[in-house]
Amino acid sequence: DAKTTQPNSMESNEEEPVHLPCNHSTISGTDYIHWYRQLPSQGPEYVIHGLTSNVNNRMASLAIAEDRKSSTLILHRATLRDAAVYYCILRSYYGGSQGNLIFGKGTKLSVKP
Amino acid sequence: DGGITQSPKYLFRKEGQNVTLSCEQNLNHDAMYWYRQDPGQGLRLIYYSQIVNDFQKGDIAEGYSVSREKKESFPLTVTSAQKNPTAFYLCASSILAGGATDTQYFGPGTRLTVL
Repeated sequence: DAKTTQPNSMESNEEEPVHLPCNHSTISGTDYIHWYRQLPSQGPEYVIHGLTSNVNNRMASLAIAEDRKSSTLILHRATLRDAAVYYCILRSYYGGSQGNLIFGKGTKLSVKP
Repeated sequence: DGGITQSPKYLFRKEGQNVTLSCEQNLNHDAMYWYRQDPGQGLRLIYYSQIVNDFQKGDIAEGYSVSREKKESFPLTVTSAQKNPTAFYLCASSILAGGATDTQYFGPGTRLTVL
């Protein structure tokens, strides 16, 4: 799986939008971009994934650059419950031999009231 | 409610003792995984299983063992051979292993402390 680069930490104010960036300059044409988040002392949870087009779901939006070398997870109105570590992960269409997710250190998002 | 359960939430063990962490899922998923997380770090794969009665070593399998006798259950044993077992252990499952759009569902984790 190709590598991703994320800022170590970000801060946001409650009820404001948050844009979490991810760089993946070596992404291949068949790699999907996945986002997971991990709240303190809990297991990670799936947020969203996409291939080329922007994606929306009830949790967030995913904006993918036209060249696919970067993407941005958008939380439209941050709440205190959104304080977590956010992981950007690439998954190959052909899968890995193990099928596991490869987690980096992610971005720790702090939300101020 | 469908999901993954792990027990216990906290576990304390004396050095030299084996301990088994439970993981159960009722999502009817074929694939199951065990990850280890150390403070401030990402997750690392210990073992995974794509089907009943079959499992494979991950990146850090030394000192650990697993079994997969039932589709719903994938217990992890931390043996006395594991040099530094204090960590947060996470179990996950997915419909398939390795699909590009496959989503993994995680349990709440077990925090193991060796005294």
